[in-house]
Amino acid sequence: QVQLVQSGAEVKKPGASVNVSCKASRDTFTSSHIHWVRQAPGQGLVWMGIINPNNGVTSYAPKFQGRVTMTRDTSTSTVYMEVRSLSSDDTALYYCARGSLDDIWRVDYWGQGTLVTVSS
Amino acid sequence: QSALTQPPSASGSPGQSVTISCTGTSSDVGRYNSVSWYQQHPGEVPKLMIYGVNKRPSGVPDRFSGSKSGNTASLTVSGLQAEDEADYYCNSYAGSNNVIFGGGTKLTVL
Repeated sequence: QVQLVQSGAEVKKPGASVNVSCKASRDTFTSSHIHWVRQAPGQGLVWMGIINPNNGVTSYAPKFQGRVTMTRDTSTSTVYMEVRSLSSDDTALYYCARGSLDDIWRVDYWGQGTLVTVSS
Repeated sequence: QSALTQPPSASGSPGQSVTISCTGTSSDVGRYNSVSWYQQHPGEVPKLMIYGVNKRPSGVPDRFSGSKSGNTASLTVSGLQAEDEADYYCNSYAGSNNVIFGGGTKLTVL
């Protein structure tokens, strides 16, 4: 069974950083790529990037390159995403999601989402 | 890298068919057959409805179908039901290890 369990909601001030975690079942962690997608309130889905948990190789959407870092901890089957220099525009629900086993660029299972609120 | 273009809204009566378009470019939708569609009900996580342009995951009703012509992909929902009312998003592989989503379409069942 695919399980992606994300960390709880965060409230941050402008200029701060946030680190969101996504704990995967062991099978998912070792066999899949993990995507991060965000959704601002009332807005659409925006793809942020992808990480291969096996080797840590990442690819980021041009919009987030240089401001987002995705990492993983193999001992706990957890993937992390750090977003730096937060502004109110970063207030959103952040999802981790599994890349499909036969096409890593297709998301098939989603975490429950982590709400990040940026407010002074 | 702009979002794929979807109409903001679509609607149909129960039993009717409705088609939602998703327009990209020759660098994404037009080049790759890695187009997916997601359904999202309010307060819920997105659900994969169509992948690989026209394939349905197990459990998705065959009322949902997908197609592609040139740079435009389409999702058709036949025999509309009340529970089909939701937001729908397309996405596509865009090359250079990137993925792009559409802006979303709110489907209303009248």
